[in-house]
Amino acid sequence: QLQLQESGPGLVKPSETLSLTCTVSGGSITRDSYSWGWIRQPPGKGLEWIGNIYNSGSAYYNPSLKSRVTLSLDTSKSQFSLNLSSVTAADTAVYYCARPSVTVIGEWDWFDPWGQGTLVTVSS
Amino acid sequence: QSALTQPASVSGSPGQSITISCTGTSSDVGSYNLVSWYQQHPGKAPKLIIYEATQRPSGVSDRFSASKSGNTASLTISRVRADDEADYYCSSYAGSTTHVVFGGGTKVTVL
Repeated sequence: QLQLQESGPGLVKPSETLSLTCTVSGGSITRDSYSWGWIRQPPGKGLEWIGNIYNSGSAYYNPSLKSRVTLSLDTSKSQFSLNLSSVTAADTAVYYCARPSVTVIGEWDWFDPWGQGTLVTVSS
Repeated sequence: QSALTQPASVSGSPGQSITISCTGTSSDVGSYNLVSWYQQHPGKAPKLIIYEATQRPSGVSDRFSASKSGNTASLTISRVRADDEADYYCSSYAGSTTHVVFGGGTKVTVL
């Protein structure tokens, strides 16, 4: 059974880069048709999609975050990563990694499974 | 402001049915059957309960059902129980530019 686990610093200073990693276990990160994604949730608020990345390395981002976000894969470690630059207090959130399903014509479908989430606070 | 509109809260007594709406536009919900619903208990990760507008994953109670009409998707919880108290989120594919959008979430309270 596929399992995902987020890791990374819980505190980031304003203007710096937030970096998180998601480790995949119970399955191959490079399996055909698999892709990987990040979603965040500010405290007390709703979910916001950040971006998805195919196991080929092609990535797709939320237009509102696109200028600051980079997703990448490290297949040797069964990990994928999120970098969010120039953070402000508005980036304080629980960050989840998840596996998005994709249709045969490349449309994003449901997210399952999800990691447990990790809280990142942006503060000096 | 979320791309998909959900009521902030919905409540019902045990045994009753409740319905949560998720209203989008012709660019997302109205154009694709790629609507999913998630249940989130406090302090926990979201859990997929409906995919592709009406499909229920294996292991999810048949008390959860969903439909879609035009730009609005709906989730119905039948025979509501105390452990159904949670936040519920809808999500939709939104085309090749916006990609994925979520609703603002609905808090379900069992009276």
